[in-house]
Formats: sequence, C-alpha cells, structure tokens
Amino acid sequence: QVQLVESGGGVVQPGRSLTVSCVGSGFTFSRYGMHWVRQAPGKGLEWVAVTSHDGSTKFYSDSVRGRFTISRDNFKSSLYLQMNSLRAEDSAVYYCVFGERGGFDVWGQGTMVTVSS
Amino acid sequence: SYKLTQPPSVSVSPGQTARITCSGDTLSKQFTFWYQQKPGQAPVMVMEKDSERPSGIPERFSGSSSGTEVTLTISGVQAEDEADYYCQSTDNNGTDVLFGGGTKVTVL
Repeated sequence: QVQLVESGGGVVQPGRSLTVSCVGSGFTFSRYGMHWVRQAPGKGLEWVAVTSHDGSTKFYSDSVRGRFTISRDNFKSSLYLQMNSLRAEDSAVYYCVFGERGGFDVWGQGTMVTVSS
Repeated sequence: SYKLTQPPSVSVSPGQTARITCSGDTLSKQFTFWYQQKPGQAPVMVMEKDSERPSGIPERFSGSSSGTEVTLTISGVQAEDEADYYCQSTDNNGTDVLFGGGTKVTVL
C-alpha cells in the first residue's frame, strides 16, 4: 500500500541544525511533487515547502525561507528537509505529504522536532 | 499575503447538520480541499476540489463553493465526526499552499 514514513526528529538546541527524512513506498515516488507540512503542539497545520517531481523547482513558506532546504533522492524514494538556524517556534510534528489531484491524500505519521535549550 | 479564515468551533447535536465555512480571496480561483484530524492522528482528506468526495468518505460529507467562500457540510452528524477540520487551497500562482486555522467540531 501507499506509505510515507518520516524519521530524524528529536530535540535540538536553538540555532542548531537538523535534517528530517521521509521514505515513500507503494507508489512511483519520482512522479510526484512532495511537500512538508508541520503542526506545532496544539496548533493548526502549516505548509512548509514543496519540491517538484524531479527536484528542479522548490518553494518555501515565508517563515522558513532562507533557513530550510527541501531536497529529494528519487533513486532512494526519499524526501529530506534540512533545517538550519532552528528556533523555538519551529517545534512541531513534521509531516511528509503528497497528492495526485492538488490536495494531500497521503500523509506520513509525522516526526516530532523540539527546539529547546 | 493570502489567508484562509475558518470559525474556531462548531457545535452540533447528533443527527443534525454541521456547516464549516472557509473564506479567502483566492478561493474564487483555486480549488479547496478539506481535512479531518482526530487527536494523535495525521489528517485525512474528506473533500477535494471543492465538492468531490474521495473514495471511502461517507456520503454525509459534502462540499460547496460560492465566490470566495467554501463550505464543508456534514449531514446527520455522528459522534465519530468529532474532530478538527482544516480547509486548504493555494495562492493565485498555485505555488504556495494555504491552510485555514482549523475548526473544532464538537458533537454534543
């Protein structure tokens, strides 16, 4: 079945870096644009970034542009989010998501990132 | 920047109808998608492209659109429908994704 599995979350100090990963299975990963969406504890959903199917085009939310980098390795069916200069407000569950018709019909289980000293 | 606005909460008795609105300038030009999220779980899409119900979503869920406002309607609400609901669309360029702030549906 179609599945996304995130990993790499944890506790990191403010100003430091962390990379979270997502592995897709059960579908042709290289055909789809892939997104990261995050959710701070007790808060709503926030879109973070998107990469096109081949990694040639990327867009970021205003809140992370210049600090986060989205990338992918289609040979490994993997999506990455490198997060630099982390702030307390970046603490959230990070979801890897995609969809076929403009929305997000496939979500991973999420990986928790906590930025704290 | 663009924004999607939802009511923070909606309360409804079992068997009644819940209507959740989402408003935003881009909604007259871009499709809207709706997600249901229960505590501790990832969101699930319950409506796509304004009014199309994905496979496996009960018929009591329906969607409509009028100008810059879209509505998710749950007819004959059941206890299991108690959850947070989020609308989602894109900016007018279709590049940046927008989420509404979410609506907590409480079944009385």
